Parts: sequence; structure tokens; C-alpha cells
Amino acid sequence: NAGVMQNPRHLVRRRGQEARLRCSPVKGHSHVYWYRQLPEEGLKFMVYLQKENIIDESGMPKERFSAEFPKEGPSILRIQQVVRGDSAAYFCASRGLDRVYGYTFGSGTRLTVV
Amino acid sequence: EDKVVQSPLSLVVHEGDTVTLNCSYEVTNFRSLLWYKQEKKAPTFLFMLTSSGIEKKSGRLSSILDKKELFSILNITATQTGDSAIYLCATTTYSGNTGKLIFGQGTTLQVKP
Repeated sequence: NAGVMQNPRHLVRRRGQEARLRCSPVKGHSHVYWYRQLPEEGLKFMVYLQKENIIDESGMPKERFSAEFPKEGPSILRIQQVVRGDSAAYFCASRGLDRVYGYTFGSGTRLTVV
Repeated sequence: EDKVVQSPLSLVVHEGDTVTLNCSYEVTNFRSLLWYKQEKKAPTFLFMLTSSGIEKKSGRLSSILDKKELFSILNITATQTGDSAIYLCATTTYSGNTGKLIFGQGTTLQVKP
């Protein structure tokens, strides 16, 4: 069991480009969460997905950000037309039925916008 | 709005010292409080607390929750350089039943030899 796999680990994008962050959950986990960590801040919830469904996107910026978790393949967090303020570490976590102990975090993708 | 606040934000100690990290919260429909350790990679789970006054212990680390005063502390005794990390506190709630975590800002601990 490889745990939660996120890639790439580091991503550099120029302003205006698109960033695609991938998250492969623990095998058998059907719940995925995305969190963003800005410098000097804790993790902030962005979105919660189950297979093919967005359950809670209350933490997602209204524009440029989208997320999906298709029936097959990894969950994708997509940021269009990136700006410098998007530079952060993006963490994915997955769980099975256990809402607390079952959480497993990935190692994160560090996005730098230049 | 649900809120979790940690203090201090950063701390520098020497090996062998004892440290106490604080976490206070104001959340609706509180369910549990969790502590995580974050080194350069993924946050790793330390403790989950749901009941007041019951200490959870793992080696040199221990934690306790006070649901009346709405805070928790994480104690680390006889600190070692390997304890250097960001310590994150988070809560879960019954609201929406989504299982999402509400994190504090984190406390950055540096343990010097």
C-alpha cells in the first residue's frame, strides 16, 4: 500500500499558465480532500470529493479553481491562469469509511508561480 | 465562522527541555480535536481527543482536551532534535458530516542540540 501519492512534488508555472495537481488516494479509499497551505499558515480546506461527485467545495476560490475525482484515475486539482498568490503547498488526503483515524495525507505539491 | 488558534507560532528550545503547545478552538458542533506532526512531507497523525480530561500518551508526547474552556495542549518532554517540526492542531465537527478538518496556523518547534 503506497499511501497517498501526489505529483508532481514541485511545480513551477508562469503567471497565466495552468497548473494540474494529481492525487492518487490510498487503494480502496473513495473520499478525497484537498488542502492548501500558504507560507506561515496552517492547512486550509478547499474541497471534498467522492468518486465522480463534489461533496463540499466551500473552501474553493470561486474562479480559476476546479477539482474532479473521476471513476477511474487520480483526483485532479486544476488552477487556471495562475497568479503569484496561488504559490503554496497543496495537500491531498484520502480516507475510507473512518472519518477520523482513516485520514492519510500525501506529501504535497509545492506550486511556485513566477 | 469556525476557528482554531495555536500558540505560540514558533518556539526554539534545547534538547532535554519540556515544551507545551496550545490549541484553542471555537467551532460549531465540535466532534474531535486532532494533533499532527508535519516535517518536510505529509502531516502525520499523533492524537485524537474527544473527551475532556482524558490524557492521551505516546512515548514522550501527551495531550489533553478541555471541552469547557475549549482548548487542548500537547506536551513534549525531554525534547530531541528529531522533534523539530510544525505541530498542527485540527478539529472536526458534526456539521455537514463531511469529515473535513479545520486547522490552526501551526506551531513551528525547533529543538537545538
